[in-house]
Amino acid sequence: NAGVTQTPKFRILKIGQSMTLQCTQDMNHNYMYWYRQDPGMGLKLIYYSVGAGITDKGEVPNGYNVSRSTTEDFPLRLELAAPSQTSVYFCASSYGRGEIGGYTFGSGTRLTVV
Amino acid sequence: DQQVKQNSPSLSVQEGRISILNCDYTNSMFDYFLWYKKYPAEGPTFLISISSIKDKNEDGRFTVFLNKSAKHLSLHIVPSQPGDSAVYFCAAGTQKLVFGQGTRLTINP
Repeated sequence: NAGVTQTPKFRILKIGQSMTLQCTQDMNHNYMYWYRQDPGMGLKLIYYSVGAGITDKGEVPNGYNVSRSTTEDFPLRLELAAPSQTSVYFCASSYGRGEIGGYTFGSGTRLTVV
Repeated sequence: DQQVKQNSPSLSVQEGRISILNCDYTNSMFDYFLWYKKYPAEGPTFLISISSIKDKNEDGRFTVFLNKSAKHLSLHIVPSQPGDSAVYFCAAGTQKLVFGQGTRLTINP
């Protein structure tokens, strides 16, 4: 049981480039999330999805886009990368709101924009 | 506007003693609360949760206390072990979770 898988683990982007962070889960969870963690800070919610075809903005959505065409996959798209998007990105999933078993997180993608 | 705050960036505890991590929140609509543990280069892992209708939940060495009137949450770890050294995040939610900044716990032999 792989849980939540994120690729790539590391990436360096130049300013203005675009990329997609991949996230897939094999637990048949209906809810999925993208968070970013900046040094010394907590996790900030970028986007979330409560099911295939449904997405919504979190606290810090600017500069990002998402799609949820299947239950398993929730890719995060960065358009026109900026240095402010240098961060560690975590994808997570849960069954419902996660109030009982919490969220299951991936191991993260460390992104540097130069 | 930080809805969930962990005011202690770090905490150092001797092995075998009790570790107490604290968390404050401002949104009275939060109805569930969780604690996560995070090791370097890994994603956070779920530790324990509590519903707003309870004031205590235990799971082995971990106990979470909720004081709704004070909007305060704490995690007790007894006895503390070296493997407990990690960053601990509290989180609170309605439809989705809001995380605190984290507290780095170091257990000294």
